[in-house]
Amino acid sequence: DGGITQSPKYLFRKEGQNVTLSCEQNLNHDAMYWYRQDPGQGLRLIYYSQIVNDFQKGDIAEGYSVSREKKESFPLTVTSAQKNPTAFYLCASTSRTGTGYNEQFFGPGTRLTVL
Amino acid sequence: GEDVEQSLFLSVREGDSSVINCTYTDSSSTYLYWYKQEPGAGLQLLTYIFSNMDMKQDQRLTVLLNKKDKHLSLRIADTQTGDSAIYFCAVPDNYGQNFVFGPGTRLSVLP
Repeated sequence: DGGITQSPKYLFRKEGQNVTLSCEQNLNHDAMYWYRQDPGQGLRLIYYSQIVNDFQKGDIAEGYSVSREKKESFPLTVTSAQKNPTAFYLCASTSRTGTGYNEQFFGPGTRLTVL
Repeated sequence: GEDVEQSLFLSVREGDSSVINCTYTDSSSTYLYWYKQEPGAGLQLLTYIFSNMDMKQDQRLTVLLNKKDKHLSLRIADTQTGDSAIYFCAVPDNYGQNFVFGPGTRLSVLP
């Protein structure tokens, strides 16, 4: 079955540590996205990538970093510079961008808690 | 940039209809989407509407679009307890590269 996997489902981090969240898709999608979800605030875009070896900052990129070395993979690193990283993180992908139909497919999410 | 607004909470009785509303600021979007999120899970596409349509019906779901007022609504007929979830309105940005999501409406269905 095609889809998006995220791991781990739950992640605990001590203050000052960097952690990396995994996102893999086997949908052959070019574009991939990372969102942060906080209660009552909807989804906020952290980073996105439309093609391998290229990515752009979203609205809240500070304290995060990404890489896109393979089409299937778009890992997100939450660095110690992110002051309030406790949140639910969602990865998504889409086969196309532009003004036409471009449904985003979502992974199951990773809940990060800073201890 | 695009701004999308939704009310945060809605409670209905099982069997009643639910109406979730969304307003947006940019009228250039060609497709507008509704996503559903169940507790602790990712988002799933529920339905969408093309911008030259006023209404789209899909079984228990009806989407209404008022482009003049930039208002989108989702009606769920005969609401069931399994419909309890958060519903997000999503509107592509001006370039179609990214989505702008509303804050989500948490629907609670009471028995």
